[in-house]
Amino acid sequence: DAMVIQNPRYQVTQFGKPVTLSCSQTLNHNVMYWYQQKSSQAPKLLFHYYDKDFNNEADTPDNFQSRRPNTSFCFLDIRSPGLGDAAMYLCATSNKKGLAGETQYFGPGTRLLVL
Amino acid sequence: KQEVTQIPAALSVPEGENLVLNCSFTDSAIYNLQWFRQDPGKGLTSLLLIQSSQREQTSGRLNASLDKSSGRSTLYIAASQPGDSATYLCAVPLLTGGGNKLTFGTGTQLKVEL
Repeated sequence: DAMVIQNPRYQVTQFGKPVTLSCSQTLNHNVMYWYQQKSSQAPKLLFHYYDKDFNNEADTPDNFQSRRPNTSFCFLDIRSPGLGDAAMYLCATSNKKGLAGETQYFGPGTRLLVL
Repeated sequence: KQEVTQIPAALSVPEGENLVLNCSFTDSAIYNLQWFRQDPGKGLTSLLLIQSSQREQTSGRLNASLDKSSGRSTLYIAASQPGDSATYLCAVPLLTGGGNKLTFGTGTQLKVEL
């Protein structure tokens, strides 16, 4: 019954070594989001895709990239992870219909540790 | 710029108590407000979404209210249980680029004790 799936749940990488986090959804939603949540802080939006259109937040570092090869999958690439990038990364989806905001469904998250 | 605040930051109550969590937002021009639950080290679970035209939404022991004009929402939890222990977050959307950018509150960490 999993709707938003994130793999892996825990990821350990080395300082500067590229890493990719994966998100997939079975809801057929047209919008997918990536949030970063640091310890004891609220989630912060990094970027989102509306269908194939990529929307980057102004303060998202260039070190973070994303790909959405199809409706179901979305990837977060961190090109050169720094110690400050250690966080929980949350993927979410929603189905955009008109102007009204829709419920966002979150995955379980991937906890990234940078050594 | 929308700012969302939650009070209290932490709350500890005995099992069985009814409790209210508060959420306030600075820009009242919102489309909806969503309440989430987050268990330690886990993702977010959507609890309730209130559209801007609604005053209340109920799901089981949870009741959320929305007063747009005053920039406030409350989450009422009836007959609290230890399993309700978690961090509760409220969030409001900003329509952007086809999606909704959620601005989250700071969260209320709830502990329900036996």
